[in-house]
Amino acid sequence: GAVVSQHPSRVICKSGTSVKIECRSLDFQATTMFWYRQFPKQSLMLMATSNEGSKATYEQGVEKDKFLINHASLTLSTLTVTSAHPEDSSFYICSAQVGTSTDTQYFGPGTRLTVL
Amino acid sequence: AQSVTQLGSHVSVSEGALVLLRCNYSSSVPPYLFWYVQYPNQGLQLLLKYTTGATLVKGINGFEAEFKKSETSFHLTKPSAHMSDAAEYFCAVSAPGGADGLTFGKGTHLIIQP
Repeated sequence: GAVVSQHPSRVICKSGTSVKIECRSLDFQATTMFWYRQFPKQSLMLMATSNEGSKATYEQGVEKDKFLINHASLTLSTLTVTSAHPEDSSFYICSAQVGTSTDTQYFGPGTRLTVL
Repeated sequence: AQSVTQLGSHVSVSEGALVLLRCNYSSSVPPYLFWYVQYPNQGLQLLLKYTTGATLVKGINGFEAEFKKSETSFHLTKPSAHMSDAAEYFCAVSAPGGADGLTFGKGTHLIIQP
């Protein structure tokens, strides 16, 4: 149980285009989902917290107009990287939390974004 | 504000030897502490967690960790390393409840020597 999927697993795009990444909780409802970014050989950095039906909360330094997050249902959150540039190339990982007062996050397998 | 420091970006042990991965944290509130493992090309998997109660917590695959408040530490151990333990290990901290997301350490790459 508690499986989280991400799609696509890899994406290559040209500079200036937008890319959408989906995060789905497959066998549970996730009121809260988180988006992280992982640079090569570095740790995960929290980008934003996404709550179903409300606006995402972004961490300091994360451009909300560039990284659009939508959490329209209890099983789906999307991250759209708008007008992507090579410096946005990274590994994007989502996680989903079961319920609102639990402490365990279940992580998706990640999406490798390469911007040419 | 919270932070996590993992000592040693790479740790190498022989198969069958003790595994010790170090994690120290900083938190202004009583922390929730986690260890995650990441195998190549896979997502993070929870090994174990401490929230409240018993300070020695046991996780999957024979791993355990002890919360020591006085030392602000949450070191991960395993008595006998297996080749399959080779992976990246992340220590993470959150505020109670975890609603604010996780703060991760930089990770420790565990290498198992045959």
